[in-house]
Amino acid sequence: AQTVTQSQPEMSVQEAETVTLSCTYDTSESDYYLFWYKQPPSRQMILVIRQEAYKQQNATENRFSVNFQKAAKSFSLKISDSQLGDAAMYFCAYRRDATSGTYKYIFGTGTRLKVLA
Amino acid sequence: EADIYQTPRYLVIGTGKKITLECSQTMGHDKMYWYQQDPGMELHLIHYSYGVNSTEKGDLSSESTVSRIRTEHFPLTLESARPSHTSQYLCASSARTGRAGANVLTFGAGSRLTVL
Repeated sequence: AQTVTQSQPEMSVQEAETVTLSCTYDTSESDYYLFWYKQPPSRQMILVIRQEAYKQQNATENRFSVNFQKAAKSFSLKISDSQLGDAAMYFCAYRRDATSGTYKYIFGTGTRLKVLA
Repeated sequence: EADIYQTPRYLVIGTGKKITLECSQTMGHDKMYWYQQDPGMELHLIHYSYGVNSTEKGDLSSESTVSRIRTEHFPLTLESARPSHTSQYLCASSARTGRAGANVLTFGAGSRLTVL
């Protein structure tokens, strides 16, 4: 069974600095999707970034980028130039390829990011 | 702005009452999900549906039930609420490959339930 592990329950970063959130996963599949979701306090969960496993190039979205290491089954999120609005719970998630017939998303336990002014 | 709506956002109710949490999406997504989340904690999948008249129980056992009579609507019902049901319930949807939002889970704002 697939698992997603986020080993950092909480992280802090100074405003304007860079922070990296860690995520590892376990799977025997070769095709799958990985995601980072952000959940601000009392607000809606939103997608930050996603990565298709078959793509070697790391995904980037403005200040957010990932370091996808397929062989190591690692999928870390780097936030550059951190802003106060980045403070949130961040969840790493995995989903098997659609050809598997299953569309369940497996989430990690989350990392709470605090941004210090 | 997400196109998936949950009502009520907040509900405080007494033990033994029947409650229904509504979830609707306007994106034409075929797959819908219910997650249970205690504040600041991980998400637990309790129900999912891959299409009309298709529902399955998730990884976390739940006393709630769901139905999927229409593509856009995926309500969750508790026949007799108890304090142990106090939690946040998140509804989400995703599309089949090739459609807008494919392979991406879109969440509603959540329904926070408190059972006294």
